[in-house]
Amino acid sequence: GDSVTQMEGPVTLSEEAFLTINCTYTATGYPSLFWYVQYPGEGLQLLLKATKADDKGSNKGFEATYRKETTSFHLEKGSVQVSDSAVYFCALSVNTGNQFYFGTGTSLTVIP
Amino acid sequence: DSGVTQTPKHLITATGQRVTLRCSPRSGDLSVYWYQQSLDQGLQFLIQYYNGEERAKGNILERFSAQQFPDLHSELNLSSLELGDSALYFCASSVEGLNTDTQYFGPGTRLTVL
Repeated sequence: GDSVTQMEGPVTLSEEAFLTINCTYTATGYPSLFWYVQYPGEGLQLLLKATKADDKGSNKGFEATYRKETTSFHLEKGSVQVSDSAVYFCALSVNTGNQFYFGTGTSLTVIP
Repeated sequence: DSGVTQTPKHLITATGQRVTLRCSPRSGDLSVYWYQQSLDQGLQFLIQYYNGEERAKGNILERFSAQQFPDLHSELNLSSLELGDSALYFCASSVEGLNTDTQYFGPGTRLTVL
């Protein structure tokens, strides 16, 4: 069935370090891929998305490219800040049956 | 602030009881989604409504039901509650309910079943 697998956390980085959070997916049809971020005590908010293969989503210095050949949508940021500390969720939605799947979340802590 | 409101913020109840969670979508959004977030299951999609009609069903138990009203607000009803139903319940909304839509999440309702 359709699913999302993302890198286990927690991840701790120093400020200005490079971030990669891996996400791979299994899907039938033509899925859309998302990264959502959840700050403590809040709901999820969209970070970026890509709706077709080879699309690159980007926002606030974060990037992810929809790669159909490797079924991946890895999240990257060149230089993290303390304010990036949050839980990051990779998500997939499929147009067949309109189902939505989220990864288990990766907790990121950035230390000064 | 996403523009999606959920009430109540916290709910504590006993096993066997029934509760109703309420969600108001962003202005202009026609679709509402319900999710359950628990430590062991992660974030699970429960159900989606679009303009008052059920559009998609996920891992929603038979003890749970939802509806979307003409003013587009939605309610999630949980009955015969069990300890395992303790979780954070999120509502989200989007403009058209398509799988490419961005979903805007509310702050959640934390349900504790004792």
